[in-house]
Amino acid sequence: GAGVSQSPRYKVAKRGQDVALRCDPISGHVSLFWYQQALGQGPEFLTYFQNEAQLDKSGLPSDRFFAERPEGSVSTLKIQRTQQEDSAVYLCASSLQTDMNTEAFFGQGTRLTVV
Amino acid sequence: QKEVEQDPGPLSVPEGAIVSLNCTYSNSAFQYFMWYRQYSRKGPELLMYTYSSGNKEDGRFTAQVDKSSKYISLFIRDSQPSDSATYLCATKEGGSTLGRLYFGRGTQLTVWP
Repeated sequence: GAGVSQSPRYKVAKRGQDVALRCDPISGHVSLFWYQQALGQGPEFLTYFQNEAQLDKSGLPSDRFFAERPEGSVSTLKIQRTQQEDSAVYLCASSLQTDMNTEAFFGQGTRLTVV
Repeated sequence: QKEVEQDPGPLSVPEGAIVSLNCTYSNSAFQYFMWYRQYSRKGPELLMYTYSSGNKEDGRFTAQVDKSSKYISLFIRDSQPSDSATYLCATKEGGSTLGRLYFGRGTQLTVWP
């Protein structure tokens, strides 16, 4: 596709429910990032993949958060036993290479509301 | 204290005004500096990208980085209503293969006709 695609665009979950958020990066992009953006805040880093390898997961807020990218393309962010504080926009970004001066392209995000 | 501090505004200016947006950061390891624009309910899109200190100009936009004071600026000349958005500064470390970005909280800008 032309850009980073995320689905669903909107998700309402009852507290305690598990959710799965999908990211389709730009074809051929090696690096993939997940960010969490709370209302009125800037994006906060969650985790980073280089191909299928998860190189940094230091931003995941708890062990309820899990991300995978098994074939080095599509990635899924899973949140177990959702809590109200998980309500945020989850952004995925991808970039072509791993070196520092390549642009990261963001998807439109998935807006998660936990009720 | 957050790695990157940014005044959230909101900032409201008339069309044609010069807009100045600013951020400060705390980590001397940051080498790459970016400004993203984010429209409502959209993902951030890259506006400007600079490496180390100095100025960079692109049309009506000028980005400045002063590493000695750890200060990042974006200037918008002849502002237009279509510039109304949230502007996010971001930075990342040099010398690492990891591309993690550190964002400010964003400044909400409204340009009225």
